[in-house]
Amino acid sequence: NAGVMQNPRHLVRRRGQEARLRCSPMKGHSHVYWYRQLPEEGLKFMVYLQKENIIDESGMPKERFSAEFPKEGPSILRIQQVVRGDSAAYFCASSPRTSGRSYNEQFFGPGTRLTVL
Amino acid sequence: GQQLNQSPQSMFIQEGEDVSMNCTSSSIFNTWLWYKQEPGEGPVLLIALYKAGELTSNGRLTAQFGITRKDSFLNISASIPSDVGIYFCAGQLENTNAGKSTFGDGTTLTVKP
Repeated sequence: NAGVMQNPRHLVRRRGQEARLRCSPMKGHSHVYWYRQLPEEGLKFMVYLQKENIIDESGMPKERFSAEFPKEGPSILRIQQVVRGDSAAYFCASSPRTSGRSYNEQFFGPGTRLTVL
Repeated sequence: GQQLNQSPQSMFIQEGEDVSMNCTSSSIFNTWLWYKQEPGEGPVLLIALYKAGELTSNGRLTAQFGITRKDSFLNISASIPSDVGIYFCAGQLENTNAGKSTFGDGTTLTVKP
């Protein structure tokens, strides 16, 4: 059973360009979370999605950032007009959210390290 | 927003020693999770706790969900060099169906052979 997959693993963009980060959840998981991690810090929640729905985007900046999780295909985190402050590691996690003890457990992908020049 | 205070920030120990780290919060959580992250990788779930007072083990790792629901600790017994990494606690809030986690800032563990 493959784990959470993210690509690309590393992404370099110049200021003003767009960054698109992809996440494929674990098989059977329909709940996806995106987190951002700055150096020397913990992960900060950005957005929670189910298939075709954004459930909670309270941690995502209102401008330039958007996320989707279409019926088919991976979840996409899109950052428009990137700035240097967007440089960070972006992690995706998936969860089964089925009943039982593992309801809240989240499994993380390897992350995408975004560098904005 | 909710904050988790994780301590210590870093630890340098000798192989074979036991390790203890903890997290405290101003808010009640209904789930505590402990993760380990190695350089260039995503966090890997070590232990999940769902009930106040719960004590759960995973090999040499033991974690407890505090009675007040505002704290948790992780112990590692007889440390080995491969225990090196950053350990994060994460809490999930009471009365939420979002399942999003609030993370501490991590404890960096260095084990000297």
